[in-house]
Formats: sequence, C-alpha cells, structure tokens
Amino acid sequence: TQLLEQSPQFLSIQEGENLTVYCNSSSVFSSLQWYRQEPGEGPVLLVTVVTGGEVKKLKRLTFQFGDARKDSSLHITAAQPGDTGLYLCAGPLPTGTASKLTFGTGTRLQVTL
Amino acid sequence: DAGVTQSPTHLIKTRGQQVTLRCSPKSGHDTVSWYQQALGQGPQFIFQYYEEEERQRGNFPDRFSGHQFPNYSSELNVNALLLGDSALYLCASSFGAGWGYTFGSGTRLTVV
Repeated sequence: TQLLEQSPQFLSIQEGENLTVYCNSSSVFSSLQWYRQEPGEGPVLLVTVVTGGEVKKLKRLTFQFGDARKDSSLHITAAQPGDTGLYLCAGPLPTGTASKLTFGTGTRLQVTL
Repeated sequence: DAGVTQSPTHLIKTRGQQVTLRCSPKSGHDTVSWYQQALGQGPQFIFQYYEEEERQRGNFPDRFSGHQFPNYSSELNVNALLLGDSALYLCASSFGAGWGYTFGSGTRLTVV
C-alpha cells in the first residue's frame, strides 16, 4: 500500500499550458517535500512545506500544503520544456523519524513545443 | 563543493551474484540513506547510516546490507541477486537527523 498517492501518473502538455499535480494521503504528515527528477539523475529538492495551508512560490511553480496536512499540490504556470521530468512528493513516515522519507508514486510530466 | 558521488554509474550482474555499490556524501554531511527506485516508481527507503551504524531500515530482506566508514562514505551490498533487484539505487546524504537530502545520480543495476 502506497502511503502517498500522486495524480495524474502521466501528463503530456504543450508549452504555455498550466497544470496541477496532486499528492494525497490518508495519513497526516508533519511536512512534505517536492522533488523533480530527470532521466539518469537523482531527485532534486524543489521545496519543503511545513505548515497546514502553507503556500510557497518558486518562480512559475506554486506549492500548497493542505490544511489537514494530508495532501499537497504543485501548480505550474506557463509550462516550459525545461519543466519536463518526474515530480515526486515525499514526507517523513508518521511513525518514523524525520530523516526517513517515504516517496509518492510520481507524476511524469512532458512539455512539448 | 562536490555533491553526492556514486559509483559505478551502471552495472550488469547475473542472478545469484553479489554486488557492492559505493557512495561519497556531500561535504559536511554525516548521514547516508539508500533508496531503491524501480522503473517508473518513486524511491523506496532501504536503510540509513549514521555514526557508522544502521539507524533505520525499510522493508528489505537481509540480502541487503550496508556499511558506513569513518569518513562518512557508505557501501550498499546485495547478495544472491534476483531479477527483481534490477533498479536505480540512489544514495542521499544529509546532516544529522535533518532531512535536507542531497541525492546522487544513482547506480543503475541490471540483473540478468
């Protein structure tokens, strides 16, 4: 059973379109992280959200942590080909220490010209 | 400032063989975590090493073992390889109990 479910699994859009990726769980997390992973590389941390209801912006990327701290979303405005990659949410296991992360199922995004 | 370095980058092994993967953490980091990422999936936690001891372990069999050296570098050993062990193995380093992880590029292991 996957603790963090992401949707959609795959997304293929054209440059300039907007999109939202969701990360959902039935468990409460103290915080959630979002990573982007490109082929042949390890995941790269984009952001950490720690407060329920928190919204963080990173240029064209907007991250939101749900009020109940069970879900998060990533919104990309005016997507560019450079946004292509695997987007992963991750959070510390509720019964573990902060340093043991569980990852979501991933959303593979492809942005074409 | 060097990030996390993993070696080798690619490896092909035969079923039943043993493999050792290596990781050098980012400068200033003292904790190393290992993850297995199957194709199209998110990474799965294998174990974590701190102060040369295994601090936490995920749901992986005893065929998976590791070691951390005094210079904080780490090795992941897998015995009696199965076809299902084929995956990208990621090493992530951090400082102490924090989880500001830095990931390496991984080792792609193929078991034939």
